[in-house]
Amino acid sequence: AQKVTQAQTEISVVEKEDVTLDCVYETRDTTYYLFWYKQPPSGELVFLIRRNSFDEQNEISGRYSWNFQKSTSSFNFTITASQVVDSAVYFCALSGPTSGTYKYIFGTGTRLKVLA
Amino acid sequence: DAGVTQSPTHLIKTRGQQVTLRCSPKSGHDTVSWYQQALGQGPQFIFQYYEEEERQRGNFPDRFSGHQFPNYSSELNVNALLLGDSALYLCASSSFVAGGSTDTQYFGPGTRLTVL
Repeated sequence: AQKVTQAQTEISVVEKEDVTLDCVYETRDTTYYLFWYKQPPSGELVFLIRRNSFDEQNEISGRYSWNFQKSTSSFNFTITASQVVDSAVYFCALSGPTSGTYKYIFGTGTRLKVLA
Repeated sequence: DAGVTQSPTHLIKTRGQQVTLRCSPKSGHDTVSWYQQALGQGPQFIFQYYEEEERQRGNFPDRFSGHQFPNYSSELNVNALLLGDSALYLCASSSFVAGGSTDTQYFGPGTRLTVL
């Protein structure tokens, strides 16, 4: 079965601190896709990144960076120098043939609170 | 460039009633997926529509049905509402990708349904 685990339910940091959100996934597929989305209080899921299973290169986008490690089935997300506007719920998601290619499987999310 | 739009924003119904939620995909997208997000949980896949047909379905009863129109917009219908159907309903749009791959899904702001 496919599964995404986000063990951190809620994290609080002070502004300008770095914070890492963990994501561990389970799949037997060799080809799969991983995603991160941000959900601010407004409710809309905002796409942050997509990674396919053959691309283990880490990615940096401004203050955001992602570390994909197939050996540990993890796809962690780091925010550097956090800001109050980063406060939101962050979801990790997985897509692959076993559960149906078109279906995203989401974790339960990590609520990030950045305090001024 | 308009993103994914959903209507209505909020809806209050009573048990046993029927509800219809609407979604217009992002410009250039031809595929619509629907998700249910209960409070404090990650989104759960309901179904996906492409070329006016249901392409894949999640683990939801057939009280949940959908439709896609020639202009790619979509409706989600829920019959015989239960208290447990109270949730945020998210629509996501994407483009068809041949060969079993998956495209990134972009989400709308959601419709919050309350069943009393």
